[in-house]
Amino acid sequence: QSVLTQPPSASGTPGQRVTISCSGSTSNIGTYYVYWYQQLPGTAPKLLVYRNNQRPSGVPDRFSGSKSGTSASLAIGGLRSEDEADYYCTTWDDSLTGWVFGGGTKLTV
Amino acid sequence: EVQLVESGGGLVQPGGSLRLSCAASGFSFDDFAMHWVRQSPGKGLEWVSGISFNGGSIGYAESVKGRFTISRDNGKNSLYMQMNSLRVEDTAFYYCAKHSGEWYSSSADFFDSWGQGTLVTVSS
Repeated sequence: QSVLTQPPSASGTPGQRVTISCSGSTSNIGTYYVYWYQQLPGTAPKLLVYRNNQRPSGVPDRFSGSKSGTSASLAIGGLRSEDEADYYCTTWDDSLTGWVFGGGTKLTV
Repeated sequence: EVQLVESGGGLVQPGGSLRLSCAASGFSFDDFAMHWVRQSPGKGLEWVSGISFNGGSIGYAESVKGRFTISRDNGKNSLYMQMNSLRVEDTAFYYCAKHSGEWYSSSADFFDSWGQGTLVTVSS
């Protein structure tokens, strides 16, 4: 199983808001920045949120990230059908001295 | 525009070897760390290895330590992964990813560009 824990699935209807959680420990999320990626079917991951809550240019403000203690969350507001994808959180882990990912959350709209 | 193009994937028997390559363009390759990240079909992402901008600092996931070797040639704008003693569980798409900073272990930086991946299948 993954070092970071995400729910395997999430769902919502168009226009709704959904939140995806990512749980870790003091050796990873509790100490370091969290990043979120979106992976559409058959494509490479795309950066959605960096340094806990920053959005790269071009990412709609419907996507927002937050972090508290050893957990982080990605919120997606105003859901659209094109948001159907897999979402992954990632951060550095001190104990493993490497990057770790969550198991991914499949979002259905 | 950043472009990362992986090659070298294919079918190999358990215990065999393979060398992956990643050709980079559109940015100053020798200014940034690079990574290999893999994804087994239908599964999640797994960080495999990272290398600093000058090759002086390298890290591996426990699952590949002692079997895989990452390297780079800044003169050729290329990243490599030598994969030995391959196992069935190494079957995956292997992505080359650019880091946004010089050091692969810098948590203030991140994977900011990805290639399209190359498929490695380990099977008898």
